[in-house]
Amino acid sequence: DAMVIQNPRYQVTQFGKPVTLSCSQTLNHNVMYWYQQKSSQAPKLLFHYYDKDFNNEADTPDNFQSRRPNTSFCFLDIRSPGLGDAAMYLCATSTAATPSTDTQYFGPGTRLTVL
Amino acid sequence: DQQVKQNSPSLSVQEGRISILNCDYTNSMFDYFLWYKKYPAEGPTFLISISSIKDKNEDGRFTVFLNKSAKHLSLHIVPSQPGDSAVYFCAASALGNQFYFGTGTSLTVIP
Repeated sequence: DAMVIQNPRYQVTQFGKPVTLSCSQTLNHNVMYWYQQKSSQAPKLLFHYYDKDFNNEADTPDNFQSRRPNTSFCFLDIRSPGLGDAAMYLCATSTAATPSTDTQYFGPGTRLTVL
Repeated sequence: DQQVKQNSPSLSVQEGRISILNCDYTNSMFDYFLWYKKYPAEGPTFLISISSIKDKNEDGRFTVFLNKSAKHLSLHIVPSQPGDSAVYFCAASALGNQFYFGTGTSLTVIP
């Protein structure tokens, strides 16, 4: 009965080799988020979708892109991963028209290693 | 620039006693605050929230206190149980914008 699913849980890629992380949800929530969390740091919002509307945070590098083909799925594409992109990537969903006043439901995360 | 700070990376408490986790913030526009709990290998899960119109919100063993003048909130867990051992994140948002998270406090409840 998992609600927010992230695949894979662990991803190893090479420096500069594109990688895609996947998130799916069974909650039918209209808002989906991607966070980056580096070791001992706070989760940092990269971007979010409100339905099909994409909202990029101002300091999210261009190297990070996202796709949301339908309500259930959202992908994080890292076009040319650098060593500094090694982190835990968390996907979350929420339902409110004002997303930040509603609970966010998080997936278990994908830990990305860049060699 | 870290707008939400959890200055204690870890805390150990005896079972049955009170756990107090602290969080400070710098943005006076923050009007909504949450606490999340995170177990190893799992994503954060929502625990309790408070809006800026309140100074206290209680849910069972968990109480969140908000001191707006000090820009400080705290989470009290009474009584603490071994299953409460986890990392606790506070998060804050302003006017419907994104959440800013603290770096987390790892709570260990000793049986």
